[in-house]
Amino acid sequence: DTGVSQDPRHKITKRGQNVTFRCDPISEHNRLYWYRQTLGQGPEFLTYFQNEAQLEKSRLLSDRFSAERPKGSFSTLEIQRTEQGDSAMYLCASSRTETNEKLFFGSGTQLSVL
Amino acid sequence: QKEVEQNSGPLSVPEGAIASLNCTYSDRGSQSFFWYRQYSGKSPELIMFIYSNGDKEDGRFTAQLNKASQYVSLLIRDSQPSDSATYLCAVNSHGNNRLAFGKGNQVVVIP
Repeated sequence: DTGVSQDPRHKITKRGQNVTFRCDPISEHNRLYWYRQTLGQGPEFLTYFQNEAQLEKSRLLSDRFSAERPKGSFSTLEIQRTEQGDSAMYLCASSRTETNEKLFFGSGTQLSVL
Repeated sequence: QKEVEQNSGPLSVPEGAIASLNCTYSDRGSQSFFWYRQYSGKSPELIMFIYSNGDKEDGRFTAQLNKASQYVSLLIRDSQPSDSATYLCAVNSHGNNRLAFGKGNQVVVIP
C-alpha cells in the first residue's frame, strides 16, 4: 500500500494557461475523489469516480474544469484558461466501494495562478 | 445553512489538558461521521470515525455522536504539542457518496 500520490506537488502558472494534475489512488480502491481547499477552509468537493465512471460533479464546478479516469486507475484533473480564483490546494482521495467509506488523501497539488 | 459547521475559533490548551472540539450538521439523515487532522501545509489524515450514537474511544481520542441533536464532538486527552493542527469534521449524508467538510478548528497545544 503506497498511499495516494499526486503530481505535481506545486504548480505556478500564468492566468489563461491550462494546467493538468494527476492522481494515483490506492490500488484496491474503486472510488476516486477530487477536492479543492483554500486557506482557512475545509476541503470542497469537486467530483468523484467509481472505477472509470464519473458519477457526480459539484454544481460549483466550472466548465473550465474536467476530470477523467480512463482505465479506472489514475485520474487527471484539467483546468483550462486558469483564473486567479483557481489558486488553491487540489486534493485527491480514494476509498473502497462500501458504505461508511473512509477517504484517504494524497499530499495535494498546490496551484498558484499569477 | 452549511452542511457541516465548526464555529469555534482557535483553541489553545496547555500540554496535558483536554481539548474539546464540536461540530454540527444539517442533514438529519447523515450516517457516518469523521474527524480528520491536518497539519499546516499537509493533507488531511483520518483519525476517528463514528457511525452510532454514543462514544467511541481510540487511544487519547474520543469521538461522541448525538444524532438527535445533530452534533458530533472530538475530545483529545493528555494533549501533546504534536496534536497542534487543524481538525476537520466530515459527514457523509444519506444518499450521498461524498464527504462534506467543516472549515476546521485549529488547536494549539502550549508546552
